Amino acid sequence: EVQLVESGGGLAQPGGSLRLSCAASGFTFSRYVMAWVRQAPGKGLEWVSAISGSGDTTYYADSAKGRFTISRDNSRNTLYVQMNSLRAEDTAVYYCAKELLGFGAYNWFDPWGQGTLVTVSS
Amino acid sequence: DIQMTQSPSSVSASVGDRVTITCRASQDISSWLAWFQQKPGKAPNLLIYAASSLQGGVPSRFSGSGSGTDFTLTISSLQPEDFATYYCQQANSFPLTFGGGTKVEIK
Repeated sequence: EVQLVESGGGLAQPGGSLRLSCAASGFTFSRYVMAWVRQAPGKGLEWVSAISGSGDTTYYADSAKGRFTISRDNSRNTLYVQMNSLRAEDTAVYYCAKELLGFGAYNWFDPWGQGTLVTVSS
Repeated sequence: DIQMTQSPSSVSASVGDRVTITCRASQDISSWLAWFQQKPGKAPNLLIYAASSLQGGVPSRFSGSGSGTDFTLTISSLQPEDFATYYCQQANSFPLTFGGGTKVEIK
């Protein structure tokens, strides 16, 4: 069974940093594109970033460019996002998600983890 | 960026009703569209991908149609467990973008 478990969320000050992790199991991690998607409290979904199976190709939403860095450690089956220069508007539940079909495509993502809450506030 | 517009934003329906949700893309996305269901406090769950392909384990009362700019999610006979918020997502180009959501509520 595929499992994705996020961790690392919590309270951060504006301008601060956090690193989120997503521990994956139940599939060959290195073969799949992975992504981060977030959801601000009471709001809709916003795609944040995605990374290829090898880790050498990354994509970012404009809101994340220059501040967030997605990475992965295929030896540890873990996905990361390093978030710097945090802003109040980054407050959200952050979900990691696995590419559905394993073709190295950046389109369909399922399943998603349970999410980790990031709160940016002074 | 491609804008995704869902309508309605909410719908009240009864068990057994047929429910239709629409999603419009700001430009042609061919069939690069997915539908998700999200229940309160839970992660989104993929229902439909490639506009009309049913994800494994999803009941057949869910169906998707459309191509180009106009898409539809239909629930043929609403069940109690279907009360949730539904999102469309385009996968034609980066950044991937979602519709604003449609909340299906109990009438």
